[in-house]
Amino acid sequence: SCELTQPPSVSVSPGQTARITCSGDALPRKYVYWYQQKSGQAPVLVIYEDTKRPSGIPDRFSGSSSGTTATLTLSGAQVEDEADYYCYSTDSSVNHSAFGGGTKLTVL
Amino acid sequence: EVQLVESGGDLVQPGRSLRLSCLASGFTFDDYTVNWVRQAPGKGLEWVSLIRSKAYGGTTEYAASVKGRFTISRDDSKTIAYLEMNSLKSEDTALYYCNMGSGAFDIWGRGTKVIVSS
Repeated sequence: SCELTQPPSVSVSPGQTARITCSGDALPRKYVYWYQQKSGQAPVLVIYEDTKRPSGIPDRFSGSSSGTTATLTLSGAQVEDEADYYCYSTDSSVNHSAFGGGTKLTVL
Repeated sequence: EVQLVESGGDLVQPGRSLRLSCLASGFTFDDYTVNWVRQAPGKGLEWVSLIRSKAYGGTTEYAASVKGRFTISRDDSKTIAYLEMNSLKSEDTALYYCNMGSGAFDIWGRGTKVIVSS
């Protein structure tokens, strides 16, 4: 199945580097997408196809993937980056898509 | 303006049906897969269903939690997608989002609320 596992929470001080992981057996075969969701708002794509950043997303956001684990890195996290972050991927072998459980990032 | 607008959410009793709509504008609707994603109160995002573009066969997929009860469809001539929800359960209570896009092009609506309660 396409099950993705994230840590429930990550906490950093402003200016520090935050890393959020996403683990799943299908990840070596499939791209990972990362979404940021602030309270009361729709999700916003911050990383697509493992490592690419949409226009308008600050370059402190980066993505990487190795084996069964993908990582979203915020280099120099800002208070405004506080949000829930979700990884997303698909697994065509089981015709299934899924989000990770989400990680609450606290910057204070 | 590129946008998706969901509608059709309501308060319904368990066992009843509801049809959600997702109206697209500002881009070529035909080119993209439509996803429905839901978020129960205080919970994370849950992928519900998708329908591919005609170029990819217009095929559909469903999460195990809704398979057999929900049906996704699209009308490219009207740039609208639907989610027909039958045999609703209390655990279907959520904000339902429509999502479309590919690569860096990624659009979400603001969601429509479904409450299943007696």
